[in-house]
Amino acid sequence: DGGITQSPKYLFRKEGQNVTLSCEQNLNHDAMYWYRQDPGQGLRLIYYSQIVNDFQKGDIAEGYSVSREKKESFPLTVTSAQKNPTAFYLCASSATGADTQYFGPGTRLTVL
Amino acid sequence: AQKVTQAQTEISVVEKEDVTLDCVYETRDTTYYLFWYKQPPSGELVFLIRRNSFDEQNEISGRYSWNFQKSTSSFNFTITASQVVDSAVYFCALSELIQGAQKLVFGQGTRLTINP
Repeated sequence: DGGITQSPKYLFRKEGQNVTLSCEQNLNHDAMYWYRQDPGQGLRLIYYSQIVNDFQKGDIAEGYSVSREKKESFPLTVTSAQKNPTAFYLCASSATGADTQYFGPGTRLTVL
Repeated sequence: AQKVTQAQTEISVVEKEDVTLDCVYETRDTTYYLFWYKQPPSGELVFLIRRNSFDEQNEISGRYSWNFQKSTSSFNFTITASQVVDSAVYFCALSELIQGAQKLVFGQGTRLTINP
């Protein structure tokens, strides 16, 4: 089945550690996105990528890094520089940068 | 700046009632898209509808309908004969075109609870 997968579903890390969240899609979509959702809040854009080997910062990129070495993969690293990393992280993809975005199931990150 | 306001934080109704979720937006763009997404307890966002700013026709899909009024910058969502499975958080979003990419600006969401 075509879709977007994110792993793991739940992730626990100690403060000060870097952690990488996985996002894979087999929809042959060009564009991929990372959003952060805090309790009772809407989603905020962290990074997005329209093509392989290219990505741009969103509204809250500080403390995060990404790579886009393959079309189907867009991993997000939450670094120790992110002051408040505990949140729900959602990955999305779209056929092109101008098309509708479809979301993965999300990863809930808790920093202890 | 782009902004989406969903003034209703939580709504609770009894099954079979009709319910309308409000969405008001602000943009300076003449061409834009509006979206509604559903977030069930599992957490995944489910796409419901995308509407072009030039298309003000109302849309109906089964028990769901959308009312787009450019004059009041509103894009409201109505569920007719609500069911327990409609319980979720619903997000309205506005697209902002940046260098060929659609950046979505989300509202805060409305938590809808349908009671049996």
